Amino acid sequence: DAGVTQSPTHLIKTRGQQVTLRCSPKSGHDTVSWYQQALGQGPQFIFQYYEEEERQRGNFPDRFSGHQFPNYSSELNVNALLLGDSALYLCASSLYRGSGTEAFFGQGTRLTVV
Amino acid sequence: GDSVTQMEGPVTLSEEAFLTINCTYTATGYPSLFWYVQYPGEGLQLLLKATKADDKGSNKGFEATYRKETTSFHLEKGSVQVSDSAVYFCALSDTNTGFQKLVFGTGTRLLVSP
Repeated sequence: DAGVTQSPTHLIKTRGQQVTLRCSPKSGHDTVSWYQQALGQGPQFIFQYYEEEERQRGNFPDRFSGHQFPNYSSELNVNALLLGDSALYLCASSLYRGSGTEAFFGQGTRLTVV
Repeated sequence: GDSVTQMEGPVTLSEEAFLTINCTYTATGYPSLFWYVQYPGEGLQLLLKATKADDKGSNKGFEATYRKETTSFHLEKGSVQVSDSAVYFCALSDTNTGFQKLVFGTGTRLLVSP
């Protein structure tokens, strides 16, 4: 079982550019969530996808958007990048069964905006 | 909204010392509670969880008890090892929608010396 895989592992972008991050969930999982972890902070919830629809969204601007594909994989898109978007972006997958299910995390994509 | 507060680090201990990392939470419903661990350069791994009041989660010698009366979920280990050095995150799962949305604390770095 490959677990949750994210690509790329590192990325450097310039202010104003757009970026796409990718995530493949753990085999058998149907729900994908994205988190932003700034340096020295805990992860902050961005949004969550289930059945190809955004189900919940955290306090992030519309510059952050996503997509889930029929195979449950997901993309996170960030437009008009700001220096403050520099962070580790974590993808987590889980099964839709309620709040007690375990979320499995990928190793993350380190985004640096210069 | 829901929130998690955990003690600031770093926590510096000698090998075989007793560990406590405090965590308290604020939630409107009845959340599930989690401890995640992050080793350098890696994503988050679930360490233990508890889904209802008075439940005790345990794994790899770590324990935490869900205390509803004090809204706490303190992490303990009787004898730490150098390999336990990592950042520990307390988290709760928002139950409002049935989908798991994790709310994290800011993390506590543990440094264990030989």
